[in-house]
Amino acid sequence: NAGVTQTPKFQVLKTGQSMTLQCAQDMNHNSMYWYRQDPGMGLRLIYYSASEGTTDKGEVPNGYNVSRLNKREFSLRLESAAPSQTSVYFCASTREADTQYFGPGTRLTVL
Amino acid sequence: GDSVTQMEGPVTLSEEAFLTINCTYTATGYPSLFWYVQYPGEGLQLLLKATKADDKGSNKGFEATYRKETTSFHLEKGSVQVSDSAVYFCALTHTGTASKLTFGTGTRLQVTL
Repeated sequence: NAGVTQTPKFQVLKTGQSMTLQCAQDMNHNSMYWYRQDPGMGLRLIYYSASEGTTDKGEVPNGYNVSRLNKREFSLRLESAAPSQTSVYFCASTREADTQYFGPGTRLTVL
Repeated sequence: GDSVTQMEGPVTLSEEAFLTINCTYTATGYPSLFWYVQYPGEGLQLLLKATKADDKGSNKGFEATYRKETTSFHLEKGSVQVSDSAVYFCALTHTGTASKLTFGTGTRLQVTL
């Protein structure tokens, strides 16, 4: 089992560019999540998908969109990147009411 | 809404010292409580958890007890090692909320020889 995988590992964008962060899990988990991690702020939930076909906003959704492509894959899209979106992004997944498993993260810099 | 408060870091200890990282929470009902650890350059991984009051979670020599009366879940280890150097996150979730986690800000632990 690979667990939760994320691509890319690193990315540098210019302000206004768009990109999609990819996440996949092979644990047959129903729920998937996108977080961002900023210094001194812990992890904050951007969007989540409780089950295939559903998505909901988290604490900091502005500037992001998501797609739950199928049960395995959950992508995060930045339509017009801003410097405030410089962060480390983590994807996670879980069976219902259980431990979340995290991917290795994507370090994004927006210039 | 829910919140988790952790002690500010960094915490710097010598190897074999006793570790306590404080965590308190504000939440309605009876959340499940977690400690996650993040080693340098990696994602978070579960260290231990407790799902009801007075439960003790333990793993790799770390322990934490779910104290409902003080709304606390302090992390302890009797003798830390250099390999324990990492960032530790306290978190909570409620059943029936799609398992969304609320995290504390994290506490960096540095263990020296």
